[in-house]
Amino acid sequence: AQTVTQSQPEMSVQEAETVTLSCTYDTSESNYYLFWYKQPPSRQMILVIRQEAYKQQNATENRFSVNFQKAAKSFSLKISDSQLGDTAMYFCAFMNRDDKIIFGKGTRLHILP
Amino acid sequence: DGGITQSPKYLFRKEGQNVTLSCEQNLNHDAMYWYRQDPGQGLRLIYYSQIVNDFQKGDIAEGYSVSREKKESFPLTVTSAQKNPTAFYLCASSIDGSGVEETQYFGPGTRLLVL
Repeated sequence: AQTVTQSQPEMSVQEAETVTLSCTYDTSESNYYLFWYKQPPSRQMILVIRQEAYKQQNATENRFSVNFQKAAKSFSLKISDSQLGDTAMYFCAFMNRDDKIIFGKGTRLHILP
Repeated sequence: DGGITQSPKYLFRKEGQNVTLSCEQNLNHDAMYWYRQDPGQGLRLIYYSQIVNDFQKGDIAEGYSVSREKKESFPLTVTSAQKNPTAFYLCASSIDGSGVEETQYFGPGTRLLVL
């Protein structure tokens, strides 16, 4: 069975620091997609970044970047120069070729002023 | 503006009552999804639909029903058979769900509470 594990239930960092959220997953497939979603207190889910497994280059979106290690089945999210607005729940997600998406349990991130 | 809307924002259900959550999208997406989120849990898939008039059960479909009569709309009914309906419900859509474009976009959610 495919699973997504986020080992950090909660994290806190000071504003302007860099923080890394970890995610590991388990699959026997070679082609798939990985995502990080952000859920702020408003509860709306917002796509932060996506990675296609066949691409070796790590995805980057402004202050957000991933470290994708396919052999290790690891997909961590790095947030640089963290801002108060980054405070949210972050979900790592895996999507297989059947288009079913599997979410981790989330990491609650607090950015402290 | 293009997007996904869900209504109502809060919904109260009495014992034995069926309630329906609305999800509408004007993104011209073929595929739509319903998820449930409980505290401390990730999202769990209830139902999904890849095309009008067709839908499939997700991981936790028992006690729920859906319809997909129009491309834009994918309402979710929480039936009286769902014994623990209190949760946050998220609707999502993707372009075609066939593997060409995989990103799902989410609505703002509906919180369902039992009286």
